[in-house]
Amino acid sequence: QVQLQESGPGLVKPSQTLSLTCTVSGGSISSGSYYWSWIRQPAGKGLEWIGRIYTSGSTNYNPSLKSRVTISVDTSKNQFSLKLSSVTAADTAVYYCARDNASDEYFDYWGQGTLVTVSS
Amino acid sequence: AIRMTQSPSSFSASTGDRVTITCRASQGISSYLAWYQQKPGKAPKLLIYAASTLQSGVPSRFSGSGSGTDFTLTISCLQSEDFATYYCQQYYSYPPGFGQGTKVEIK
Repeated sequence: QVQLQESGPGLVKPSQTLSLTCTVSGGSISSGSYYWSWIRQPAGKGLEWIGRIYTSGSTNYNPSLKSRVTISVDTSKNQFSLKLSSVTAADTAVYYCARDNASDEYFDYWGQGTLVTVSS
Repeated sequence: AIRMTQSPSSFSASTGDRVTITCRASQGISSYLAWYQQKPGKAPKLLIYAASTLQSGVPSRFSGSGSGTDFTLTISCLQSEDFATYYCQQYYSYPPGFGQGTKVEIK
């Protein structure tokens, strides 16, 4: 059973860079044809896909965030990471990591989510 | 980007009811649609993909239908554990996008 767990600071100052890591357990991040995504959800609102990475390092980003997002992978640690630069209060949200099938981008495994608050 | 619109945004129902949630895409997405259930403080859970394929382990009272622009999620006999918010998601084109959610509350 694949499990995903987000980790990182829960508070980030405006204009700084948000950094989160997702650790995958119960299987190798490199096995199978899967992409690894980040998705966020502001309090009381809907879900927004941020971007994804394949273990080769190939990435896709949401155009609405592309200029500020970097997703990377560390297969030796079975982890992938998110960096979101120049954050504002609008970036305050619960951030989820998730797995999607490379051919069909629906999300079958999710982390529990981590709340990141942008505030001085 | 393709816009996904769910209706209604919320409604009340009783245990045992048959309920239907609608999702409409702003352009045709074939059958590239998934449905998720989310309970407060929890991550979304995949229920259905490819518009009508039940994810492993999901009770058979959940079903999905539709193609093109109009889709429905049906719960045939609402159980207490089904009170939650439901989201549709298109994966026909980038970026993958979600509906705004439908909250099913206890009457």
